[in-house]
Amino acid sequence: DQQVKQNSPSLSVQEGRISILNCDYTNSMFDYFLWYKKYPAEGPTFLISISSIKDKNEDGRFTVFLNKSAKHLSLHIVPSQPGDSAVYFCAASEAGGSEKLVFGKGTKLTVNP
Amino acid sequence: EPEVTQTPSHQVTQMGQEVILRCVPISNHLYFYWYRQILGQKVEFLVSFYNNEISEKSEIFDDQFSVERPDGSNFTLKIRSTKLEDSAMYFCASSDSSYNSPLHFGNGTRLTVT
Repeated sequence: DQQVKQNSPSLSVQEGRISILNCDYTNSMFDYFLWYKKYPAEGPTFLISISSIKDKNEDGRFTVFLNKSAKHLSLHIVPSQPGDSAVYFCAASEAGGSEKLVFGKGTKLTVNP
Repeated sequence: EPEVTQTPSHQVTQMGQEVILRCVPISNHLYFYWYRQILGQKVEFLVSFYNNEISEKSEIFDDQFSVERPDGSNFTLKIRSTKLEDSAMYFCASSDSSYNSPLHFGNGTRLTVT
């Protein structure tokens, strides 16, 4: 059951550069998408979300882009900081009131000083 | 910032024993959830709870699992007779709405079944 796919298990970038994390989905009923960050021994921390009526949402250094026709979303972090090093999860939920989030496997981001 | 708290952080139990995992959701939230993550795998939905009843559950959430909100602040997950494959991180989450509202997660309980 791979409704949400994060095909890159890891990503390494230099401090100050852009980090781009990608996520693909297969379920056309998904209408709300979220990114979570997770440090070891902690729970997922909500970062940013986007609903299907938008194609971009920005919050400080974090921007999420949604391409519905390609069933693809991405998270841009600019500029990247060493404290951003964590595992990033993409998640999605369906329209029609289903409350459950479906998560991707995560991408481990390492920002090198 | 308000947060979801979970206790204990680590629980070790023997196969066949009952365990209760505890959570205190964010105080003004109305929707409560349990998720789990088996080592190396995805975070998976178990159950959602609203207005003192289960609103949705996954196929994982079989008769061995139950949830309860025994008072105005706690939300618990009970596993009646644990199996080895129940070993996982269990995350509690809460949200203030069921629609297009982010879930806020606790730090999890690591359950080890021996």
